[in-house]
Amino acid sequence: DAGVIQSPRHEVTEMGQEVTLRCKPISGHDYLFWYRQTMMRGLELLIYFNNNVPIDDSGMPEDRFSAKMPNASFSTLKIQPSEPRDSAVYFCASSFRDRGRGTEAFFGQGTRLTVV
Amino acid sequence: LAKTTQPISMDSYEGQEVNITCSHNNIATNDYITWYQQFPSQGPRFIIQGYKTKVTNEVASLFIPADRKSSTLSLPRVSLSDTAVYYCLVGITMNYGGSQGNLIFGKGTKLSVKP
Repeated sequence: DAGVIQSPRHEVTEMGQEVTLRCKPISGHDYLFWYRQTMMRGLELLIYFNNNVPIDDSGMPEDRFSAKMPNASFSTLKIQPSEPRDSAVYFCASSFRDRGRGTEAFFGQGTRLTVV
Repeated sequence: LAKTTQPISMDSYEGQEVNITCSHNNIATNDYITWYQQFPSQGPRFIIQGYKTKVTNEVASLFIPADRKSSTLSLPRVSLSDTAVYYCLVGITMNYGGSQGNLIFGKGTKLSVKP
């Protein structure tokens, strides 16, 4: 498996524009996580899904952020409208629920978003 | 979710053994202890996981005392390529339903290995 695949790797956009980040989890994984990382705030969990259903979106900062998972192999994180303070690296991760074990998540390479 | 405390930074030299300790005083019975490593411009990578006593793999060892209120990640004979941020996570496993699967990262320990 190629691992978790995120696209694009880099995105530069103007304030007010809509931004869509994409993620393809590892096949067979039933959990998907979206994170945001900045120097100031570190790694923040935004939302996670189990079997394509959003379980906890309490980390989503504002209504401008939305995430979907239409099927087991694809998820999007959308920011509309984007603002300069949304500039960060956004990571997607997936994991498989393994009874008797803790959580081992696999992360993508991230999307570096710059909003000017 | 059990809160973790670990040093902000550590320095070491090539060839030395590095031990990073994480405190998690209110760990729950069902919680596992997991460590991740993150290099610049990359996503975190799973290193090792344990529940109690000692766990060893090809990368590191994890020592967990009987009370499980702390854990120590041990990296034998570090090299320059081990320079990274190391995160300790303590959380409920995914065994009990989707509502308990969140992964919360703290600030981590920035390890700098010098020649």
